[in-house]
Amino acid sequence: EVQLVESGGGLIQPGGSLRLSCAASGFTVSNNYMAWVRQAPGKGLEWVSTIYAGGRTYHADSLKGRVTISRDNSQNTVYLQVNSLRVEDTAIYYCARLSGSISLDFDLWGQGTLVTVSS
Amino acid sequence: QSALTQPASVSGSPGQSITISCTGGASDIATYNLVSWYQQYPGKAPKVLIYEVNKRPSGVSNRFSGSKSGNTASLTISGLQAEDEGDYYCCSYAGNSWIFGGGTKLTVL
Repeated sequence: EVQLVESGGGLIQPGGSLRLSCAASGFTVSNNYMAWVRQAPGKGLEWVSTIYAGGRTYHADSLKGRVTISRDNSQNTVYLQVNSLRVEDTAIYYCARLSGSISLDFDLWGQGTLVTVSS
Repeated sequence: QSALTQPASVSGSPGQSITISCTGGASDIATYNLVSWYQQYPGKAPKVLIYEVNKRPSGVSNRFSGSKSGNTASLTISGLQAEDEGDYYCCSYAGNSWIFGGGTKLTVL
């Protein structure tokens, strides 16, 4: 079955760090563009980061310097490292696959993992 | 990068058609034919309805259609059904980045 399963969320204190994981099955992450999209409670979707098949990475300006997207090809898993967490980083973090290098839409989503930043 | 502008809410009766607009700027919608639309139910992950402005993935009803003019994209849902009630988001590629709209809540009366 083609799917994405996120993990790693939880309650984190402001200033802390966390690493989210996204395990893929049914396809190879290294052959695809992969991304993280987040959604604050009751709010809209916000693009966070993308890693291209060739390895280049891009991040939203609002998070630049605090986030790193990476992948482990042997584990077929994508990661998102977020540092210096702020209360406003509280959100559901979704892992998503982009449909290709041309269409660039998010065609497969995980169920999301909730990150709560609070003291 | 500011969010694309969508109406906060739209409504319609079963069988009617509605259109949701999505307005961007010169560096996103106006430049790239890479607008996509997503449907999201409460507590669920988004699902792509339209990609590349007006293309439908396999399995998506032909009641959903997309278009673009200048810096504004639109999603039209024809023959409204109760199951269409939910949140809808537009998204545009903007050169190694993606910008989403603020979302539109569709209510089927």
